[in-house]
This record gives sequence, structure tokens and C-alpha cells, in this order.
Amino acid sequence: DAGVIQSPRHEVTEMGQEVTLRCKPISGHNSLFWYRQTMMRGLELLIYFNNNVPIDDSGMPEDRFSAKMPNASFSTLKIQPSEPRDSAVYFCASWRFGVGYGYTFGSGTRLTVV
Amino acid sequence: DQQVKQNSPSLSVQEGRISILNCDYTNSMFDYFLWYKKYPAEGPTFLISISSIKDKNEDGRFTVFLNKSAKHLSLHIVPSQPGDSAVYFCAASSISSGSARQLTFGSGTQLTVLP
Repeated sequence: DAGVIQSPRHEVTEMGQEVTLRCKPISGHNSLFWYRQTMMRGLELLIYFNNNVPIDDSGMPEDRFSAKMPNASFSTLKIQPSEPRDSAVYFCASWRFGVGYGYTFGSGTRLTVV
Repeated sequence: DQQVKQNSPSLSVQEGRISILNCDYTNSMFDYFLWYKKYPAEGPTFLISISSIKDKNEDGRFTVFLNKSAKHLSLHIVPSQPGDSAVYFCAASSISSGSARQLTFGSGTQLTVLP
């Protein structure tokens, strides 16, 4: 298995632009999570999906953030418009119900908003 | 309010000695605890875990201890090796909506093992 695949690995954009981060979970995993890592807050959960349905988006910082999971093999996290304070590493993780307790993480997308 | 806290942002240890990383939590609903290791430019990877019904779990050089009354867990690495240098995240698990398990992470501790 190729693991959780995120793209792009790095994204540099100007303030005000739209940014879309992509994630392909491990086949057969039915939960998908978006996390953001910053120096101040560590790893914080933004939103998670169970069987493609958004369950908890209370961690999404503002209405500028939105996430979708149109099918079991693809999810996007969109920021529109982007701001410099959104600069962080964004991780996607997936998990299969009943198989262990830990998630499998992707390699992350490093977002820089200038 | 942070439910999982790692109060030491960094730790330096000499090669061959013991590394002890600490973690505190506040939510009594957590029933499983995990440690993840993260190298630069990579995602966190699972290292070791412990159920709330146990107080110790060992895997090779890594041992996790859980003190439920104190709501405290620690990760011991013996002996420490330079390749162990990474950021270590403590995580706590609880059942969430839709039967998914939600992981709450601490802010991480950067471990540096000096040769």
C-alpha cells in the first residue's frame, strides 16, 4: 500500500488567493482526518470524516476553511481567501474502524502564504 | 483548553542514556494513549501505545508508563540513539461521534540525542 498520499508537498501562495490541499487515504480506511501543525499549537484537528460524511468540523478556524470528501478515496481542504497566519503544515490521516487505535498520516503539505 | 499537554518543548540526552518524555492529560474519557514520532518533512508515525487498563507497555527500547490517578504518562527510551532524534507527540484517544476514534495530540517534544 502506498500509504496516505498528500499533494502538493509544498505550496507558496499570495495572501488572498485560494489554496486547495488534496489527500488520498489508504484504501479500505473509513475515517479521514485533517490536522494542522504549528509551533504554538502543535497538531490540532481541523475536521474529520467517517464514511465520507463530515462528523466534526469544530476545529476549522474560520469560514475561510472548507473540506470535502466526495468519495472514499479523495478529500480536499480549501482555504479561501488565504492569509499569512494560515501558514503551517497540514496533515491528512486515515484510519480503519476496528483496526488499532492509531492513524496513518501522510507526509503533509507545507503551506506558506506571503 | 489543551486536553493533552507536553510541557517540555525540547530535551537533550547523551547517546546511551535514558530519555524520558512526559505527557499530562485532563479528560477522563480518554481510554487509549499513543506516542508518535515525527522526523522533519515527514508525517508522524506510530511508535507505541497503551490501554487505560494497563500501567506499562514495553516494545524493545521503548516503554510507556501510565499513571491514571495522576493523569500522566511517560515514554522511556533506553538506550537512546542518535536516530531517535525527532519530535515526539503524545496522543490520547476517545470514542467520538459515528464510532470514529478521535486522537487529541500534545504540542510535541523535540528530542535530541547527542553522540
